[in-house]
Amino acid sequence: DVKVTQSSRYLVKRTGEKVFLECVQDMDHENMFWYRQDPGLGLRLIYFSYDVKMKEKGDIPEGYSVSREKKERFSLILESASTNQTSMYLCASSLVVGTGRYEQYFGPGTRLTVT
Amino acid sequence: GQQVMQIPQYQHVQEGEDFTTYCNSSTTLSNIQWYKQRPGGHPVFLIQLVKSGEVKKQKRLTFQFGEAKKNSSLHITATQTTDVGTYFCAPPEGLFYNQGGKLIFGQGTELSVKP
Repeated sequence: DVKVTQSSRYLVKRTGEKVFLECVQDMDHENMFWYRQDPGLGLRLIYFSYDVKMKEKGDIPEGYSVSREKKERFSLILESASTNQTSMYLCASSLVVGTGRYEQYFGPGTRLTVT
Repeated sequence: GQQVMQIPQYQHVQEGEDFTTYCNSSTTLSNIQWYKQRPGGHPVFLIQLVKSGEVKKQKRLTFQFGEAKKNSSLHITATQTTDVGTYFCAPPEGLFYNQGGKLIFGQGTELSVKP
């Protein structure tokens, strides 16, 4: 069974703080993703990575950066948290596309509140 | 950029009634995935459709992929309270498999079921 874990379920940070959200998957998946989910806006892709040290911008990368030093771990960094980054953050992973089976497996999410 | 339109945004049904959500794209899709997110939960993969005109069933859920591969639908027969949640369609970006397996998530259809 694929397991994707996220470091925190709930997080409260102050404006201007540097925030790290960690995601770990245990199924040797090549692809990893960070989304944010807001009411009425669905899932929006922030960044994704298809290999170690590789990263690609998603649809809303502004204000975020990522790090993938190991295959199983994908970190999302908010360099200077702002109140408009209050959201639910979801991490996901999937197999490489060439396998034909690249459905995404999601972690439980981190609800971040920036005050 | 590439987008998918999912309708309706909300659907309230009486338990036992049927439910259908539609996913439409202006471009031809290589395949499409469907996910379900329970309230307070994370998206969970349901199925992937690949072939033109494909129909797949999972118990009371019927998934269809249009002949032109530009639309898809999910139909639930005789809804139950366990069907409550948001259903997302998610085709891959681009016509062909893309590196990284990036998906384009629809806005989702939120289903509520009154007992």
